[in-house]
Amino acid sequence: QKEVEQNSGPLSVPEGAIASLNCTYSDRVSQSFFWYRQYSGKSPELIMSIYSNGDKEDGRFTAQLNKASQYVSLLIRDSQPSDSATYLCAVKTFSNTGNQFYFGTGTSLTVIP
Amino acid sequence: DVKVTQSSRYLVKRTGEKVFLECVQDMDHENMFWYRQDPGLGLRLIYFSYDVKMKEKGDIPEGYSVSREKKERFSLILESASTNQTSMYLCASSTPDRVNQPQHFGDGTRLSIL
Repeated sequence: QKEVEQNSGPLSVPEGAIASLNCTYSDRVSQSFFWYRQYSGKSPELIMSIYSNGDKEDGRFTAQLNKASQYVSLLIRDSQPSDSATYLCAVKTFSNTGNQFYFGTGTSLTVIP
Repeated sequence: DVKVTQSSRYLVKRTGEKVFLECVQDMDHENMFWYRQDPGLGLRLIYFSYDVKMKEKGDIPEGYSVSREKKERFSLILESASTNQTSMYLCASSTPDRVNQPQHFGDGTRLSIL
């Protein structure tokens, strides 16, 4: 069973709309959750992190975490063509010696002008 | 800002060659990771290291080895390159000290094996 599941998409939204990206995870001891944006041919860049239940807002981005349901989401308000990218969900778990990150395969988002 | 630097953006090598990919980070992070990324397969963990001289196999270590002689440097070695190792290689680092610390990625090396 995969640790982190995302819909691969592609997800298409018109410019100005809200894009909703979803992620579920299987490990109940997961501690922190991250959303990365990856443009084609580039490396992932961090856009949001969250580790408490509820919502966290940063500009046009809102991350939502529900640990009971093992569910984390990313909302992008007022979507722009520059938001067109693949979004990776990452889950961080801890051990005595270090930490492990588990990544979903990503959701491809296209914002249509 | 954390800086993770990979030695090459693009690299072309021949089958059977020994290939070295270098990664350096400037934030004194204990943990470093090597991934490869292929279309439709996402990020796959090759090797990781929790500290100097330490290494652990990830999900797909076959055909690879690593070296961590200094804390800031983590090298990935393709012992005898094969065409199925053509891929984007990504290095990342992180610290275990705080819950909300993410992985920081380098720019990636696009490796082609001919």
